[in-house]
Amino acid sequence: DSGVTQTPKHLITATGQRVTLRCSPRSGDLSVYWYQQSLDQGLQFLIQYYNGEERAKGNILERFSAQQFPDLHSELNLSSLELGDSALYFCASSVVADPSYEQYFGPGTRLTVT
Amino acid sequence: GENVEQHPSTLSVQEGDSAVIKCTYSDSASNYFPWYKQELGKRPQLIIDIRSNVGEKKDQRIAVTLNKTAKHFSLHITETQPEDSAVYFCAASATGDGGATNKLIFGTGTLLAVQP
Repeated sequence: DSGVTQTPKHLITATGQRVTLRCSPRSGDLSVYWYQQSLDQGLQFLIQYYNGEERAKGNILERFSAQQFPDLHSELNLSSLELGDSALYFCASSVVADPSYEQYFGPGTRLTVT
Repeated sequence: GENVEQHPSTLSVQEGDSAVIKCTYSDSASNYFPWYKQELGKRPQLIIDIRSNVGEKKDQRIAVTLNKTAKHFSLHITETQPEDSAVYFCAASATGDGGATNKLIFGTGTLLAVQP
């Protein structure tokens, strides 16, 4: 157990809908990263927050957004869902903002868009 | 943009043999190279990492080597065991103002199967 929690574990929804994925980092970690893992794309970095502020952006679609709250938990919002958004979404946390320190991954949320 | 290539995509070895997975990176400012192991249905977990100021690092049966000139790094697993079967991801990141890769870029993964 990495100490990072993610809810829900599974999510099934229809195209065009909007969902919110939640992540709670390890106690003491200020940095939260979001990744998308699909079969053909591997682990794709989406976005990073550090202490409430956006720190780095990766291949995140405009339909996706995220935020980190004062209690340091983070939410990833996915809207106008398409079939291609079906994937495993991981969040990871780290003590510092620098990506060259160990990131601890949560168990992931499996999103299925039908 | 920044890119990390990983080979092979699948690797099958006999128990007790060695396994080698290779990665190349594009951003010459990259200075941190972790390797993550992901068992089926589980989360990725860091198994070893190396920074650009060293050329090799070892931890029991696993080792990582880095060639900055060629911009490639490799994972070596010796005396493989069935529990080593998993997907292995390499990654690269750069820190500071000199690198465009201020994030962790992952390779596409290698499925390692260790046959008993």
